[in-house]
Amino acid sequence: EPEVTQTPSHQVTQMGQEVILRCVPISNHLYFYWYRQILGQKVEFLVSFYNNEISEKSEIFDDQFSVERPDGSNFTLKIRSTKLEDSAMYFCASSETLGNTIYFGEGSWLTVV
Amino acid sequence: KQEVTQIPAALSVPEGENLVLNCSFTDSAIYNLQWFRQDPGKGLTSLLLIQSSQREQTSGRLNASLDKSSGRSTLYIAASQPGDSATYLCAGNRDDKIIFGKGTRLHILP
Repeated sequence: EPEVTQTPSHQVTQMGQEVILRCVPISNHLYFYWYRQILGQKVEFLVSFYNNEISEKSEIFDDQFSVERPDGSNFTLKIRSTKLEDSAMYFCASSETLGNTIYFGEGSWLTVV
Repeated sequence: KQEVTQIPAALSVPEGENLVLNCSFTDSAIYNLQWFRQDPGKGLTSLLLIQSSQREQTSGRLNASLDKSSGRSTLYIAASQPGDSATYLCAGNRDDKIIFGKGTRLHILP
């Protein structure tokens, strides 16, 4: 069964460093998403992406964050100048179209020290 | 304010019992409802999607209902098993995203 894959599964980074989290969405899906979950808290929406541009973003997704689809298969989340409070599990997801089932990857656990 | 609420926050039931998890939403712009399962430290597994034109969906021992007029959804689990222990999340589609509740932590007692 097709699945969303994410790398790395875990990353530890120094405060102030840049991090790139990578995702391979399901191949025939058109909508891509990033969510995050701080330990013990609920899953929060960051950004949705369609047709090579951001379709919606939350107030969390400020200038520190960016997304890119560098080729036909990868979807990346870049976090510039990481802060301690960026420590969280970051989930990539995709769906065939709006309103269809959204499939999530296993997540990338980011720890900022 | 966009909000999805899940009650109870935690639930423990003996194996074999049927149970109901509740989800409510105040935003009338939510059009679909999706239920997920999350095991500790793991990703989100989609269980059921109920589209706005549907009232319920079934998959095996799971049945989910949606009442948009009252802003409520329920997830019914029949004949619970220890392997059902996990956190169950409901999420509503709004615009280009889904909004999650905080989840119900379910523990099935062997």
